[in-house]
Amino acid sequence: GQQVMQIPQYQHVQEGEDFTTYCNSSTTLSNIQWYKQRPGGHPVFLIQLVKSGEVKKQKRLTFQFGEAKKNSSLHITATQTTDVGTYFCAGDFGNEKLTFGTGTRLTIIP
Amino acid sequence: DSGVTQTPKHLITATGQRVTLRCSPRSGDLSVYWYQQSLDQGLQFLIHYYNGEERAKGNILERFSAQQFPDLHSELNLSSLELGDSALYFCASSAYSGSHEQYFGPGTRLTVT
Repeated sequence: GQQVMQIPQYQHVQEGEDFTTYCNSSTTLSNIQWYKQRPGGHPVFLIQLVKSGEVKKQKRLTFQFGEAKKNSSLHITATQTTDVGTYFCAGDFGNEKLTFGTGTRLTIIP
Repeated sequence: DSGVTQTPKHLITATGQRVTLRCSPRSGDLSVYWYQQSLDQGLQFLIHYYNGEERAKGNILERFSAQQFPDLHSELNLSSLELGDSALYFCASSAYSGSHEQYFGPGTRLTVT
């Protein structure tokens, strides 16, 4: 079936360190979206990547979509306590639904 | 505030019972999606409706059903509840069908005892 694998499951970093989460799909994606869910909250849309090799930046966040459109990454530079939460990638296989990765829970050590 | 509303916020019920969760999408959004999130788990897609029509189904149990009404609000019906159905149920909406960002509601936390 169409699955999106995401690693790592958990990441604990010192404040100020960088953080990266990775997503992989066994089949080509139409596009990939990223969401953030704060503890006790709901997922919030961050970005959508559509083109092969696309790189987008949002302040300290850098999103990449692989050349084969099968993998993606989210990199946060110099983490802050406000970055705490679970980051989900969500793959679109062109079938009217999103397949969410298992998420990476980021905790920050002050 | 995403503009998506869900009621109730919390629901506690017994095994074997039936409940209805309600979702109102953002103004103007035609698509509604339902997800289940168990404790410390990811988001499991249940079903997608667009303008009243079912567009995609995930691993939704036969005991679960949903519909989208002419005013575009949606209801998720869960019957013959089991302990394992305890979870957070999110509704999300988007402007159209297909590849568009989804706006999530605050969720309904269902506890089956």
